[in-house]
Amino acid sequence: EIVLTQSPGTLSLSPGERATLSCRASQSVTRSYLAWYQQKPGQAPRLLIYGASSRATDIPDRFSGSGSGTDFTLTISRLEPEDFAVYYCQQYGSSPPYTFGQGTKLEIK
Amino acid sequence: EVQLVESGGGLVQPGRSLRLSCAASGFSFDDYAMHWVRQAPGKGLEWVSGISWNRGSIGYADSVKGRFTISRDNAKNSLYLQMNSLRPEDTALYYCAKDSDPHGWYFFDFWGQGTLVTVSS
Repeated sequence: EIVLTQSPGTLSLSPGERATLSCRASQSVTRSYLAWYQQKPGQAPRLLIYGASSRATDIPDRFSGSGSGTDFTLTISRLEPEDFAVYYCQQYGSSPPYTFGQGTKLEIK
Repeated sequence: EVQLVESGGGLVQPGRSLRLSCAASGFSFDDYAMHWVRQAPGKGLEWVSGISWNRGSIGYADSVKGRFTISRDNAKNSLYLQMNSLRPEDTALYYCAKDSDPHGWYFFDFWGQGTLVTVSS
């Protein structure tokens, strides 16, 4: 089973700043089958990125994903107030079972 | 518009059973694999189980294998999770999620709002 480790656990930034979130896998993720989800308090997760770098439908272009192998990054170029949330990475290249990272909380500084 | 509406959660004693349902609409349900994902209070996401469009491929997390059974009724556009021998550590919000692929084991492009299961005496 692939273990995903996200860092940092909490990221404190201000609106307008750039956010960089990391997801590291314990072994190579097959075909870069890695997704990112956003979860706001009291809401279900929402798909942001799949295939490491493809934006899901209706996701603003300030969100971008990159990486391959064991190291992946979610970048939010200029933070909007609605971007403050918890972000999870998920690998689906060696599924089942699916695995998620433990999450990064992006909070307002 | 894709909609996934879970139901069937509640308070149950350890060792008892519960059956969750997920009613799907807004897409061709029988064309896609489906999953259950749970989130314990204040914790992260944990995949529980998944089923392909034709029930030909089914998977479970080790933590629920042998206790939970996933099923689907394509005629009713519904997904189910039969949970037996429940434990306190099964306490969580259970989400129904749509796979992006018919055969499954890809990413989840839509999620329901969840149904809360509390296992306690």
